Amino acid sequence: DGGITQSPKYLFRKEGQNVTLSCEQNLNHDAMYWYRQDPGQGLRLIYYSQIVNDFQKGDIAEGYSVSREKKESFPLTVTSAQKNPTAFYLCASSRINQETQYFGPGTRLLVL
Amino acid sequence: AQKITQTQPGMFVQEKEAVTLDCTYDTSDQSYGLFWYKQPSSGEMIFLIYQGSYDEQNATEGRYSLNFQKARKSANLVISASQLGDSAMYFCAMRDSANQAGTALIFGKGTTLSVSS
Repeated sequence: DGGITQSPKYLFRKEGQNVTLSCEQNLNHDAMYWYRQDPGQGLRLIYYSQIVNDFQKGDIAEGYSVSREKKESFPLTVTSAQKNPTAFYLCASSRINQETQYFGPGTRLLVL
Repeated sequence: AQKITQTQPGMFVQEKEAVTLDCTYDTSDQSYGLFWYKQPSSGEMIFLIYQGSYDEQNATEGRYSLNFQKARKSANLVISASQLGDSAMYFCAMRDSANQAGTALIFGKGTTLSVSS
């Protein structure tokens, strides 16, 4: 079945540690996005990518990094510079020039 | 700056009743798109319905319809014949034209819908 997968479902980070969240899609979508959701809040854009080897910062990119080496994959690294990383992270994808985004199941990141 | 406002933190409805979830938006763009997503307790965001600013008809998808009032800048979601499985958080969103690619979405804070039997 076509869709977006995110792993792991839960992730625990220790102080000073970098962690990487995986996002893979087999929808043949060109654009991919990372959003952060805090409790009781809407989603905020971290990074997005429209083509391989190119990505742009969103509204809250500080403390995060991404790569887009393959069309299907858009991993997000939460670096030690992100001082408040506890949140729910959602990956999405869409066709270029089509606005509807489809989301993965999310990764919940907790700090130990 | 663009903005989405959802003023109802929570809504309660009985099964089989209709419910309207409010959404107002602010944009200076002439061309824009509005979305509704459902987020059940599992966390996944499920796309429900889309309305383009130039669409003459209100969008409908099964039990979901979007009451689009352009002059009032409102895009309310109407769920007919509520079911227990409709209990979830609902988000209104629109395309963020300030974003360089113009394809990312901005979201409201959501409305929690609780359906009782």
